[in-house]
Amino acid sequence: RKEVEQDPGPFNVPEGATVAFNCTYSNSASQSFFWYRQDCRKEPKLLMSVYSSGNEDGRFTAQLNRASQYISLLIRDSKLSDSATYLCVVKVGGGKLIFGQGTELSVKP
Amino acid sequence: DGGITQSPKYLFRKEGQNVTLSCEQNLNHDAMYWYRQDPGQGLRLIYYSQIVNDFQKGDIAEGYSVSREKKESFPLTVTSAQKNPTAFYLCASRGSLNTEAFFGQGTRLTVV
Repeated sequence: RKEVEQDPGPFNVPEGATVAFNCTYSNSASQSFFWYRQDCRKEPKLLMSVYSSGNEDGRFTAQLNRASQYISLLIRDSKLSDSATYLCVVKVGGGKLIFGQGTELSVKP
Repeated sequence: DGGITQSPKYLFRKEGQNVTLSCEQNLNHDAMYWYRQDPGQGLRLIYYSQIVNDFQKGDIAEGYSVSREKKESFPLTVTSAQKNPTAFYLCASRGSLNTEAFFGQGTRLTVV
């Protein structure tokens, strides 16, 4: 089993749609969690950190369920500019940062 | 400006040659990381370092070597033992505790 697993993509949605990405992790001692965005042939960039209480940034909402070892990202009112690959990232003990394989999102007009 | 610099952006090498990829940061971050990304795939961890003069193998360390002689620098050598070295290599650094990682722009290595 992979340490961090994401929904296989790609997700193809119309503008204005709501889309949800899911991620599970295997290490119950994982310490911190993030969602990154990666545009084609570019480096990943932080989208948002994920806190135990859940957090929201505009159209984006991230949630963490430690009991189920599950992280989610919800994007509301999708824009064309949201088209990218979304990466779930988990930090475990010793500073190791583990990335999921990514889920590609394509938002169509 | 503060950030992480990887150089070169594109690198071509002949099969059988060792090659070293540069990664420098001026963010005063303790932790640094090297990842490899193949087309259509996620990032796989090669090596990481939490402090100077110490580093740990990641999930795919075979055929690679690193050093961490200075806090600012974490060079990666791709040796001839790496069977499929052609890939996009990304370096990252992270500050203390549970803060996020910042990435350099990456180096695209092509071995012919």
